[in-house]
Amino acid sequence: GAGVSQSPRYKVAKRGQDVALRCDPISGHVSLFWYQQALGQGPEFLTYFQNEAQLDKSGLPSDRFFAERPEGSVSTLKIQRTQQEDSAVYLCASSLNGGTNYGYTFGSGTRLTVV
Amino acid sequence: KQEVTQIPAALSVPEGENLVLNCSFTDSAIYNLQWFRQDPGKGLTSLLLIQSSQREQTSGRLNASLDKSSGRSTLYIAASQPGDSATYLCAVRGGGTGGFKTIFGAGTRLFVKA
Repeated sequence: GAGVSQSPRYKVAKRGQDVALRCDPISGHVSLFWYQQALGQGPEFLTYFQNEAQLDKSGLPSDRFFAERPEGSVSTLKIQRTQQEDSAVYLCASSLNGGTNYGYTFGSGTRLTVV
Repeated sequence: KQEVTQIPAALSVPEGENLVLNCSFTDSAIYNLQWFRQDPGKGLTSLLLIQSSQREQTSGRLNASLDKSSGRSTLYIAASQPGDSATYLCAVRGGGTGGFKTIFGAGTRLFVKA
């Protein structure tokens, strides 16, 4: 596609509910990143994929967070048993490849509100 | 651990003014630095990407410089317009992070008054 697409745009979840957030990267982009952005803060790194391989998941805040990219294109970020502190905007970005010559293209994000 | 700081946190200027946004980072062993713009409730739009071997990049009224050795970058906006009002984020890739992560500053919130 022309850009990075994320869905849903907004999600309201009751505390304890599981949620799944989807990211469609730019076609052909090898690298995919997930970030979490709290209100008034810069994005915080969550995890990174190169094709289907999850090379870095050091930013995932707890074992309730899980990300996958099984076919090396679409990625899903899953949060189990959501808690109020999970409320944030979740941003996905893709890059042509893992080379450092390339910058990131971000999606519009999913705003998650846990009530 | 790489840390990125942006100063000022917020800035309000009259239309037409030239302005400078500052970014500093603690580990100079970076691969690149990228400036983004974020409008309220929206994702990030890439403005300029500077490779570690470069000193500056220009796009229209925007000019970004990089001094890797001192761990600093500046974003210069010429002849500011109300449409420039947004949050500007500085992000560095590399620098003790394993090379894959990009670390963001908290941003500078800019308001340009008509």
